[in-house]
Order: sequence, then structure tokens, then C-alpha cells
Amino acid sequence: GQNIDQPTEMTATEGAIVQINCTYQTSGFNGLFWYQQHAGEAPTFLSYNVLDGLEEKGRFSSFLSRSKGYSYLLLKELQMKDSASYLCAVMDSNYQLIWGAGTKLIIKP
Amino acid sequence: ETGVTQTPRHLVMGMTNKKSLKCEQHLGHNAMYWYKQSAKKPLELMFVYNFKEQTENNSVPSRFSPECPNSSHLFLHLHTLQPEDSALYLCASSQAGGHTDTQYFGPGTRLTVL
Repeated sequence: GQNIDQPTEMTATEGAIVQINCTYQTSGFNGLFWYQQHAGEAPTFLSYNVLDGLEEKGRFSSFLSRSKGYSYLLLKELQMKDSASYLCAVMDSNYQLIWGAGTKLIIKP
Repeated sequence: ETGVTQTPRHLVMGMTNKKSLKCEQHLGHNAMYWYKQSAKKPLELMFVYNFKEQTENNSVPSRFSPECPNSSHLFLHLHTLQPEDSALYLCASSQAGGHTDTQYFGPGTRLTVL
């Protein structure tokens, strides 16, 4: 079966750095997405990786290793507004998104 | 602003009621999706419409009935629901289905079935 694993919850301190990991086993691979979802709001797109390596976008970076079935989302200079759930999703060979259950990130002052 | 709106935002219904969820996208996309999001579970894809044609129905019970009159509007008709159907129902759109296009989500309808 297809499976996406990510930690259920993480806690970090304002101003620090946090890395949210995602491992996957899917039928085919057409890219990996990260979304941010604040409580009661829509998931919003953060990043898309299809090739190995690091993609940097401001305070957020996303890394992919296809051979290891692994990705991480790196958040730098954490702000209180970064408290949210972070969803990892892989697009399989049928172009369907397979979703992880999300990682709830709690930022403390 | 994601350009995808959903109404109502909250809905409470009894098991014998009939109600409809509405989604509208203002992004000029051609694919629209219904997802179910339950607490601490991955998003579950329910239906996909591509150019108004249904292309996916992921074994969804018949008490959920989708309708896509045009590329901008998507409905989910609900009848004889069960308490376990209580969840957040998210609508999304993308440029086209069957491609690696980013999906953009609406804020969801929080459904409670009594």
C-alpha cells in the first residue's frame, strides 16, 4: 500500500530552526508537496520538489531524496504565526496526491 | 487569498436531512476536487472532476453525491449521513487533473452529523 509518515506533533521556540521530516512509499513518484494549514483554515501551498536537493524559499526550505523516499521541511527564524499543521503529500503515478496525517507545530515564546 | 470559496463554513445536520455543500473557484482552473479531512488523519480524496467530467470516485458511499455543472462550480449533495461522516470537507482546484499542478484549497465546510 501507499504510505506517508510524518511526526504527529513538534514543539519549537520562537526564533529557532525546526525540521519536519516526511518519509514515503508510493506507487510511482511525480513530486512531493508541502502545505501549511492553520487551524480552521485552508491548506496553503508551500513547496514542490520533484528533483533531489534543496529548494529554498525565504525562511522555508524543502529537501528531497528520491532514493531514500525522504523529504524535510526546514523552517528558520521561527515566528509565532508559524504555529500550524504542515502536510506532506506525494503525487503518485496516477497523478493522485497521497497525504500524510500532518505535523502540528507548536511555537513557544 | 486562494481564490476558492466554500459555503457554508459550518453545517449541523441530522441523519435524515438533505443538504448541499458548494464550492466555487475563481482561478480559471479546469479540475476540482472534494476531500474529507478527519482529525489526525490524512486527507481522503473523494471525487475528482476534470473539465466537468468525473474522473475519480474513491469508493465513496452513495450518500455523498457530487455535481459539477461547470469548471468553476462544484457541489456535494448529502443525504442520510452517519455520525462518522462528521469532518471538515475541503474543496480544491488545479489547472488540470492528471498533471503535477498545484492544488489550491478552499477554507472547508465543518460538518457535524447528529
